[in-house]
Amino acid sequence: DQQVKQNSPSLSVQEGRISILNCDYTNSMFDYFLWYKKYPAEGPTFLISISSIKDKNEDGRFTVFLNKSAKHLSLHIVPSQPGDSAVYFCAASEYNNNDMRFGAGTRLTVKP
Amino acid sequence: DTAVSQTPKYLVTQMGNDKSIKCEQNLGHDTMYWYKQDSKKFLKIMFSYNNKELIINETVPNRFSPKSPDKAHLNLHINSLELGDSAVYFCASSQDPVYNEQFFGPGTRLTVL
Repeated sequence: DQQVKQNSPSLSVQEGRISILNCDYTNSMFDYFLWYKKYPAEGPTFLISISSIKDKNEDGRFTVFLNKSAKHLSLHIVPSQPGDSAVYFCAASEYNNNDMRFGAGTRLTVKP
Repeated sequence: DTAVSQTPKYLVTQMGNDKSIKCEQNLGHDTMYWYKQDSKKFLKIMFSYNNKELIINETVPNRFSPKSPDKAHLNLHINSLELGDSAVYFCASSQDPVYNEQFFGPGTRLTVL
């Protein structure tokens, strides 16, 4: 029962362009969402988060958008850089619940 | 100055053996976790510990047991290893149990032959 889904296993973009990574969830009780970035042979590192009271959160080149009615969130990276090439995991959790659910990840490749 | 560390990084062992993976965090966090990344790359939570109390226990076999000697450590013991246990295991920790940005260790790749 995958409550968090990332339907695109991979994405390739040109350096300088925008990368858009998508994530869908099924559990309407989720109210906190996170994106993690993972390089090979390393653990995931926290990138950016958003709570359900917001629909946008921005941190430098990274912006996360949340559409609660569609149960959809997206991560925008602009401009994309080769160093952004990694696997990006979407995660979601309920208030005061340590049980975080992860998507399967999207491998982003940014070409110079 | 590693925040969350795991040992060993690689573990190759025979079916039926008992093994342990160690995890330590130096962030002063109250909650620690173990995740399993399966062959389809899904990260699934196995356990979490908050102040030495188990607060999540997903439906994992009882061959897996977390042991927390203190707040900074959460070790994973696995008895009678099976082929299906082969995976990458990640330890993580978080400070805030409500909105928990978790910090992950580098992972331990377990291969059961």
